[in-house]
Amino acid sequence: DGGITQSPKYLFRKEGQNVTLSCEQNLNHDAMYWYRQDPGQGLRLIYYSQIVNDFQKGDIAEGYSVSREKKESFPLTVTSAQKNPTAFYLCASSISGAAYEQYFGPGTRLTVT
Amino acid sequence: AQSVAQPEDQVNVAEGNPLTVKCTYSVSGNPYLFWYVQYPNRGLQFLLKYITGDNLVKGSYGFEAEFNKSQTSFHLKKPSALVSDSALYFCAVRDGGSGGYQKVTFGTGTKLQVIP
Repeated sequence: DGGITQSPKYLFRKEGQNVTLSCEQNLNHDAMYWYRQDPGQGLRLIYYSQIVNDFQKGDIAEGYSVSREKKESFPLTVTSAQKNPTAFYLCASSISGAAYEQYFGPGTRLTVT
Repeated sequence: AQSVAQPEDQVNVAEGNPLTVKCTYSVSGNPYLFWYVQYPNRGLQFLLKYITGDNLVKGSYGFEAEFNKSQTSFHLKKPSALVSDSALYFCAVRDGGSGGYQKVTFGTGTKLQVIP
């Protein structure tokens, strides 16, 4: 069963703690992305990676970090420096190239109190 | 800078009636346009895309979209709405005109409510 998975589905953390969100894909895609979704704001790009061991900041990278040590995996760490971390986080992957659509995971809803 | 506008936050349509969800875009190069659908607490699912060629694009679940270059629009349509079509719809654009990484810009989404 091919696809992209994210875990956990719901995550609760106390303010000041770092938290890592998992994203795994078995679609053999080179490109992977992290988006943040807030009500009424659409999707905003946090980080993207076009190839293993390389990643770039998106529009709202402050307070986040990523790694891309394996083609299949692109974990996102939400650090304590992120001012407003409560949100729905979506991971996606695609074939490299502008013409290709993105495949999204089911998302992780992070609540920080 | 590229942008996408979805002018309607919500569209209500009766079951069986045709539906339209509007999208306009701005991009400096060639527009690559996409529609995605999102059900509550789920990820986005790809519906269809326009890259080049025929202006009328057909996609999943009976949806289609018409690319209009002069009006810079890419409206999503379906001839007969189903209650199960009720969801959040996102239009997205990518600049296909140059090399290197081209980011995807998403609209803010339109909630489609199909009334039984």
